Amino acid sequence: DAGVTQSPTHLIKTRGQQVTLRCSPKSGHDTVSWYQQALGQGPQFIFQYYEEEERQRGNFPDRFSGHQFPNYSSELNVNALLLGDSALYLCASSLYFGQRINRYNEQFFGPGTRLTVL
Amino acid sequence: AQSVAQPEDQVNVAEGNPLTVKCTYSVSGNPYLFWYVQYPNRGLQFLLKYITGDNLVKGSYGFEAEFNKSQTSFHLKKPSALVSDSALYFCAVRALSGNTGKLIFGQGTTLQVKP
Repeated sequence: DAGVTQSPTHLIKTRGQQVTLRCSPKSGHDTVSWYQQALGQGPQFIFQYYEEEERQRGNFPDRFSGHQFPNYSSELNVNALLLGDSALYLCASSLYFGQRINRYNEQFFGPGTRLTVL
Repeated sequence: AQSVAQPEDQVNVAEGNPLTVKCTYSVSGNPYLFWYVQYPNRGLQFLLKYITGDNLVKGSYGFEAEFNKSQTSFHLKKPSALVSDSALYFCAVRALSGNTGKLIFGQGTTLQVKP
């Protein structure tokens, strides 16, 4: 049973460029959340996708956008990259928490994509 | 607002000794609390969770955590530390707003177990 996978593993971009990160959820999961982990910090929630819609968004600018596909995989897009966007981007999958039976489930995290902005 | 604090940046323990990694939380209502571990160049791995019930929660790899409502704490413990337990540990609380299960993480505590 494959866990959460993310690609690419590492990425180097320059300021002003755009980047797309990809995530495939754990088999059987239908919900994908994205987190940003800056160096020395805990992960910060960016947003969550369920049924191809953004369900909740953290305190991140509109430069951060996402998409979920019918097969539940997801992309995170960041436009106009800033130096401060350098971080480990983590994808987490789960079953939808809006259904009561799933309310207490944990999220499963992928290995992350390390983004460096020069 | 909900928050989690991990007061120690680093905890050093000798192999075979008991370990404790501290976590305190601030929530209104019942807290849903989690511990995750992160090894270098790896994502977060789930260790254990507290939802309700018994205040002592057992998890993976011999870890356990003690929920204390009066002290608003959820400390991670292990009776006998292994060198392989050396990693970065995160405490998290599930946000109550929305139905997304959004996690709010602490800053993390580096555990160093020395032989």
